[in-house]
Amino acid sequence: GAGVSQSPSNKVTEKGKDVELRCDPISGHTALYWYRQSLGQGLEFLIYFQGNSAPDKSGLPSDRFSAERTGGSVSTLTIQRTQQEDSAVYLCASSPHGQPQHFGDGTRLSIL
Amino acid sequence: TQLLEQSPQFLSIQEGENLTVYCNSSSVFSSLQWYRQEPGEGPVLLVTVVTGGEVKKLKRLTFQFGDARKDSSLHITAAQPGDTGLYLCAGRSGNTGKLIFGQGTTLQVKP
Repeated sequence: GAGVSQSPSNKVTEKGKDVELRCDPISGHTALYWYRQSLGQGLEFLIYFQGNSAPDKSGLPSDRFSAERTGGSVSTLTIQRTQQEDSAVYLCASSPHGQPQHFGDGTRLSIL
Repeated sequence: TQLLEQSPQFLSIQEGENLTVYCNSSSVFSSLQWYRQEPGEGPVLLVTVVTGGEVKKLKRLTFQFGDARKDSSLHITAAQPGDTGLYLCAGRSGNTGKLIFGQGTTLQVKP
């Protein structure tokens, strides 16, 4: 489809392992966002990419979290040495600059 | 740090009743958006309000942005079971793209 695509949809891993979450934004959208959502709660901003500008990383909770966006399109969120408190749904959104965000269905991450 | 306080956090009502969800902040937002989210899916945008005092209607849903652009409300008239879901308000600060989300309101409408 033409929406934001995230993979995997579910990920279960052991504490201490590294994980990579992928986001394919809508074609042509210059802005890409990552959020984290705990069960039934609001979204917590993590990081924001806009075109070729330096990303806004102000929401990343620790240095174990990083993200990159290659070629202005696909983005990968990496969590190193995962902890149980990292368990959440990780949502990606994209938008044209200054326009409303379109969300993917998220990756549900469970740390055992 | 900008915060959005959303209330109530949980609401369970009977079909046909009216309800209002509130979103309050001490900060000014350039715009405020309301989303609805169903289990296993991402949030879907319902409306964006930009001007202080603005009122927008979407069928049985009425959205209002406070005059000072610090608060907003969502009113649902004659709620239906299909309205069940998580409602989220989100404020956009200045020209930045990132959104500050409220904690969400879980609405359950019983038939």
